[in-house]
Amino acid sequence: AQSVTQLGSHVSVSEGALVLLRCNYSSSVPPYLFWYVQYPNQGLQLLLKYTSAATLVKGINGFEAEFKKSETSFHLTKPSAHMSDAAEYFCAVLPSPGGTSYGKLTFGQGTILTVHP
Amino acid sequence: GAGVSQTPSNKVTEKGKYVELRCDPISGHTALYWYRQSLGQGPEFLIYFQGTGAADDSGLPNDRFFAVRPEGSVSTLKIQRTERGDSAVYLCASSFPTRGELFFGEGSRLTVL
Repeated sequence: AQSVTQLGSHVSVSEGALVLLRCNYSSSVPPYLFWYVQYPNQGLQLLLKYTSAATLVKGINGFEAEFKKSETSFHLTKPSAHMSDAAEYFCAVLPSPGGTSYGKLTFGQGTILTVHP
Repeated sequence: GAGVSQTPSNKVTEKGKYVELRCDPISGHTALYWYRQSLGQGPEFLIYFQGTGAADDSGLPNDRFFAVRPEGSVSTLKIQRTERGDSAVYLCASSFPTRGELFFGEGSRLTVL
């Protein structure tokens, strides 16, 4: 069974500061890992994904995440926060190779990012 | 439309009533998923359709919950004898058979009084 833990339900940063959202996973096999973002009044959208290729993954809007097997982590970072980054962020895991479970994701509880001017 | 469409966006019902939630996926997406998101939690998987058939319904909490996708496009999630604990946002997503890359709708918020 897999699980995902997001440390910190709320993170607050100043505009221009580093964004770091933490995600740790547990899985019996190397998983696929994802970050989804939910902007106010919108559906979740995929930010980036790790599928056992490069361990540093770049996503949309300047975000990136690094897969660290030894730490079972997949933290999300952005060098300089923008006001438009304010949203809720979800880390998710999918078994690999997963059979037919293409979209049976296990999500973390989410982290709400607030950006102050 | 271009995205996943869910109706109604909000539904308030009384305990014991029957509810239907509709999902219209992105055209051409063969896979369709239902998730449930309770307050303060991440989405939880309910059921997955590949075409018309339910390929995985292991997330449905009990037999009061049922979903169909008769023509391989629109899906309906049906909840019988609603309970207060069913209150949540029900999310629908669709995709091609590509691992983990789901396109979500805005959700249907169900409130059971």
